[in-house]
Amino acid sequence: DGGITQSPKYLFRKEGQNVTLSCEQNLNHDAMYWYRQDPGQGLRLIYYSQIVNDFQKGDIAEGYSVSREKKESFPLTVTSAQKNPTAFYLCASSGQPRGRSYNEQFFGPGTRLTVL
Amino acid sequence: DAKTTQPPSMDCAEGRAANLPCNHSTISGNEYVYWYRQIHSQGPQYIIHGLKNNETNEMASLIITEDRKSSTLILPHATLRDTAVYYCIVRVRGTTDSWGKLQFGAGTQVVVTP
Repeated sequence: DGGITQSPKYLFRKEGQNVTLSCEQNLNHDAMYWYRQDPGQGLRLIYYSQIVNDFQKGDIAEGYSVSREKKESFPLTVTSAQKNPTAFYLCASSGQPRGRSYNEQFFGPGTRLTVL
Repeated sequence: DAKTTQPPSMDCAEGRAANLPCNHSTISGNEYVYWYRQIHSQGPQYIIHGLKNNETNEMASLIITEDRKSSTLILPHATLRDTAVYYCIVRVRGTTDSWGKLQFGAGTQVVVTP
């Protein structure tokens, strides 16, 4: 069954360390997205990618970096420059097949990052 | 993209219909209304979308007013598993030529009680 996987589910890091969050999809979707969610708030877009080897900054890209070397993978690196990295991180993808529009995004289970 | 306004929370009795309102008074003619929900500590899930006609699927119904300035998501027979945050989003319909970026507000926390 196709879907999106994110690993790990929980991640702990020391302050000042870079950390990379994994996101893999086997839906054959063109577009992929990274969101951040803080407690009691909605999702905020960090980065998005429409096609392989191309990505764009979202609303809160500072302190984050991404790569899109393969269609099915869109890893997110949280760098030491991110002031408040502790949050719930969600990856999503959209496109055909399965999606009824590019606004029908399929989300992964999320990674909860805690920086100590 | 047009902004949306939703009540922060609402309760619903199990088995009853849940009617979730959303105001989007600045919606443009080419913007669709999308609804997602997020069960605690999970990724959001697409529910339904529409432009101007009412829509129904296996999960819910979407009623859009004639002037398109507001809409209502209806969960016909709420169950405990419907407890979640529900997000109303307006967006130009994404195609291969445009972006599917979604702006999530704070949403409505729906609690279904036995």
